[in-house]
Amino acid sequence: NAGVTQTPKFRILKIGQSMTLQCAQDMNHNYMYWYRQDPGMGLKLIYYSVGAGITDKGEVPNGYNVSRSTTEDFPLRLELAAPSQTSVYFCASSSREANYGYTFGSGTRLTVV
Amino acid sequence: RKEVEQDPGPFNVPEGATVAFNCTYSNSASQSFFWYRQDCRKEPKLLMSVYSSGNEDGRFTAQLNRASQYISLLIRDSKLSDSATYLCVVKWAGNNRKLIWGLGTSLAVNP
Repeated sequence: NAGVTQTPKFRILKIGQSMTLQCAQDMNHNYMYWYRQDPGMGLKLIYYSVGAGITDKGEVPNGYNVSRSTTEDFPLRLELAAPSQTSVYFCASSSREANYGYTFGSGTRLTVV
Repeated sequence: RKEVEQDPGPFNVPEGATVAFNCTYSNSASQSFFWYRQDCRKEPKLLMSVYSSGNEDGRFTAQLNRASQYISLLIRDSKLSDSATYLCVVKWAGNNRKLIWGLGTSLAVNP
C-alpha cells in the first residue's frame, strides 16, 4: 500500500541550480497533480495530468516543467531555481472511481538559497 | 469574494467538546465537496466527501446547503488527536482538474 511516493523529502538548492522532484503512484490513477504550499497559504496547482502523455498548466506553472511518460510517474522539473520557489511541494493522484478524492504524497520541502 | 472561504480560527476547544466549521463557496455550479485534514508539516488527507443528503462517519458529520452555498463539518466528542487544520475543497462541475482549496480552519483540542 505505497500510495503516492515522493522523493526527496528535503532538498536545499542554490540559486540557478536545477532539480527533479520525483512522484510515483501505484494505484493506477489516471489523474496526477503537483501543488506547492507556502506557509499560511493554500495549495496552488502547478501542473496536472489526466493520463500518460497529457499534461497541462495549473495556476502557477512558471519556472517548472513536467512529463508523464507512464501512468505511474509524474516528475516535476525545476529549472534555474529561485528563492521564490522555496516551498513544500505535494504530488497527488485521483481517479473517477475515488470520486476524485486526492491521495497525496508526503511532500518535498525545498529551500532555495 | 473568495472562491472558497473558511474561518481560519484557531478554534480552541476542550476535549469532549462539539465543534463545527463552515465553509462557503462562490460557484453555484460546484459539483463535489470534500473535507481534508492536514496535520502540521504533513500532507492533506481526505477526511470525507460531502453528499447532498449529508453524511456521517463516526464522530464526524458533514452537511451541504446548496441554496446558501456552504458546507459544514461537525466534530463531536473532540479528541486531542483531532487537532489539525481542516481544509474545505470544492470541485467545479465538468472539470476534473479544478479543485478549489480553502485556506483551512485550525483546530486545537486541549486537555
